[in-house]
Amino acid sequence: GNSVTQMEGPVTLSEEAFLTINCTYTATGYPSLFWYVQYPGEGLQLLLKATKADDKGSNKGFEATYRKETTSFHLEKGSVQVSDSAVYFCALRSDTGRRALTFGSGTRLQVQP
Amino acid sequence: NAGVTQTPKFQVLKTGQSMTLQCAQDMNHEYMSWYRQDPGMGLRLIHYSVGAGITDQGEVPNGYNVSRSTTEDFPLRLLSAAPSQTSVYFCASRSSGNTGELFFGEGSRLTVL
Repeated sequence: GNSVTQMEGPVTLSEEAFLTINCTYTATGYPSLFWYVQYPGEGLQLLLKATKADDKGSNKGFEATYRKETTSFHLEKGSVQVSDSAVYFCALRSDTGRRALTFGSGTRLQVQP
Repeated sequence: NAGVTQTPKFQVLKTGQSMTLQCAQDMNHEYMSWYRQDPGMGLRLIHYSVGAGITDQGEVPNGYNVSRSTTEDFPLRLLSAAPSQTSVYFCASRSSGNTGELFFGEGSRLTVL
């Protein structure tokens, strides 16, 4: 079946540091890939997505590239801010079968001033 | 625009009690779903619906029941609550033509004693 593996957190960074959160996946077919963000006390919000190989999703300074050869979708940001502190979830949606989102376990990011 | 609304936000139950978590969306989305979020496990799909009158099971359906009598509403019923159902529950919806972006409610935190 489908699965998503994320690096364990928490990740603690100083403001303006470079961020990478690793995400790899297992899926049949050609899934779409997503990063969602959850701020404290809130539901999840879509951060960015990519629907085919080599696509780059980007939003709010975050980027992730759909790498089919390495089955990866790593999240990056060049300079994090305190306001980026949240839990980040990688997810995939298969193009066959149920087509529900399969989520990774989440990575908590803490950015210190 | 209210989006996805869940009630209640917090609930404490005793083992064996029943209750219903309410979910309503005002975006005319065909697809609605329920997830539970547990520490270290990400979000797991409980049940989903692709339209009024149609429901199906997700990864962890046992102990939960759903119905979809209207496009707007998708309640989740716990028939006989167990401590293992202590979790945060999220309702989410999307349009059928979408490439998978889900819109989430703010969550319902349930504790079963």
